[in-house]
Amino acid sequence: EVQLVESGGGLIQPGGSLRLSCAASGFTVNSNYMGWVRQAPGKGLEWVSLLFSGGNTFYADSVKGRFTISRDNSKNTLYLQMNSLRAEDTAMYYCARLFRWASDYWGQGTLVTVSS
Amino acid sequence: QSALTQPASVSGSPGQSITISCAGTVSDVGAYNYVSWYQQHPGKVPKLMIYDVSNRPSGVSYRFSGSKSGTTASLTISGLQSEDEADYYCSSYTDTTISVVFGGGTKLTVL
Repeated sequence: EVQLVESGGGLIQPGGSLRLSCAASGFTVNSNYMGWVRQAPGKGLEWVSLLFSGGNTFYADSVKGRFTISRDNSKNTLYLQMNSLRAEDTAMYYCARLFRWASDYWGQGTLVTVSS
Repeated sequence: QSALTQPASVSGSPGQSITISCAGTVSDVGAYNYVSWYQQHPGKVPKLMIYDVSNRPSGVSYRFSGSKSGTTASLTISGLQSEDEADYYCSSYTDTTISVVFGGGTKLTVL
C-alpha cells in the first residue's frame, strides 16, 4: 500500500527555518517525480517544489532561493528545507507523488504557521 | 507562474449535470494531454479524479468525465449528488517552467 506521511510543521517566527519530512512506503521515492504542494488558509493549491527522478528540481518563484527540496534514498524520504520564512508561507504543506504529471498520492499534510 | 483559469463557483441541483472549465495556454493545456482534476472536501486532502485529460483512476465514479478543446479543459459531473459538493482544481503540465500548474479552484454547490 502506498503511503506518504509528512512531519516537521509547526509555529515558527518570521525569518526562522523548518525542515519538512515526507516518509514514503509502498514505492521508491528516487524512482518517481515527487513534490510539495501548499494551501494557505482559505486559498487554492500551489506547487512549491518538485524533485524529478533524475535529480532536477523546480521551485515556485515565491520560494526560490529560500526553500530546498531533497531526498534520502536510504530512508525513502523527501524533504523540504524552508529558510527565511515569511508570514505568507503560512499554509498546509502536502507531499505528493506525480504520475504522468498528476498527483496520484498525497500525504495528510503538515501545517506551517509563520507568526511572531 | 500563472495559474490556469477556473470559474470561482458553479452550482446545480441533484441529478443534473454541471461542467467546470479550465482555461490555459498553448504552453500547457493546449499543447499537452497532461490535464488532471482534483476534488477537495473542506479540511480534507485533495483527491485525484481525472488524469491525462479524460482518464479516471480506479475507484472514481463514472459520473466524472474530462475533456479538452484547444486551450480549455473541462470536468463534467453527471447525476449530481450531495456528496459532490466540494472544491475542484484543474492542473496541467507546463513547458514554461517544466513543472505543473494549478487552476484557482471552483466551488461546487449542490442546491
